[in-house]
Amino acid sequence: DIQMTQSPPSLSASVGDRVTITCRASQTVYNYLNWYQQKPGKAPKVLIYAVSNLQSGVPSRFSGSGSGTDFTLTISSLQPEDFATYFCQQSYSNLTFGPGTKVDIK
Amino acid sequence: EEQLVQSGAEVKKPGEFLKISCKSSGYSFNNFWIGWVRQTPGKGLEWMGNIYPGDSDTRYSPSFQGQVTISVDKSISTAFLQWSSLRASDTAIYYCARRFYDPGNWYFDLWGRGTLVTVSS
Repeated sequence: DIQMTQSPPSLSASVGDRVTITCRASQTVYNYLNWYQQKPGKAPKVLIYAVSNLQSGVPSRFSGSGSGTDFTLTISSLQPEDFATYFCQQSYSNLTFGPGTKVDIK
Repeated sequence: EEQLVQSGAEVKKPGEFLKISCKSSGYSFNNFWIGWVRQTPGKGLEWMGNIYPGDSDTRYSPSFQGQVTISVDKSISTAFLQWSSLRASDTAIYYCARRFYDPGNWYFDLWGRGTLVTVSS
């Protein structure tokens, strides 16, 4: 199985901050890398697919980059509704999720 | 509106049978794979398997092969996840989700609200 790791596990930030979350795969996943947001008590919601493509309806302050084994999710200016947990997910070999990064209010 | 509506929370004893459901509406059920994802505090999100309603082709994660059964009933646009004998370690939230395929890459673009399964003696 391809293992996914994320860093940091959690972070505290303020509204307006630029936030960067990193995801690393145990082997290359090429560009088969997606990002989700999950709020407490809710299902995950896809934000970005295939590394850098914004899902319909997702604000443009979210962006993704990377290739191979190292990927990044960036929120350019954190908004109150962005406090949540973020997961990466690879689909190159079966499907595995990262452990998540919790973004909370500083 | 496209949606997946999951059955309600369950409380069961170890060794019992359970079948939970996921009913789709608002899109062509037969044309999209449906997946099941388990979420626990300890292991996070885990993909369990997918099923294609059109022909019931089913793929399981190696971690869940033989542990659960995924099925569909096309006549009612519903997917199912079942256990023949529950364990305490099956306690989790179970999500169904629609798989979207973007050539070579796939992800879940529509999710149910989740079904909480609690297994306790």
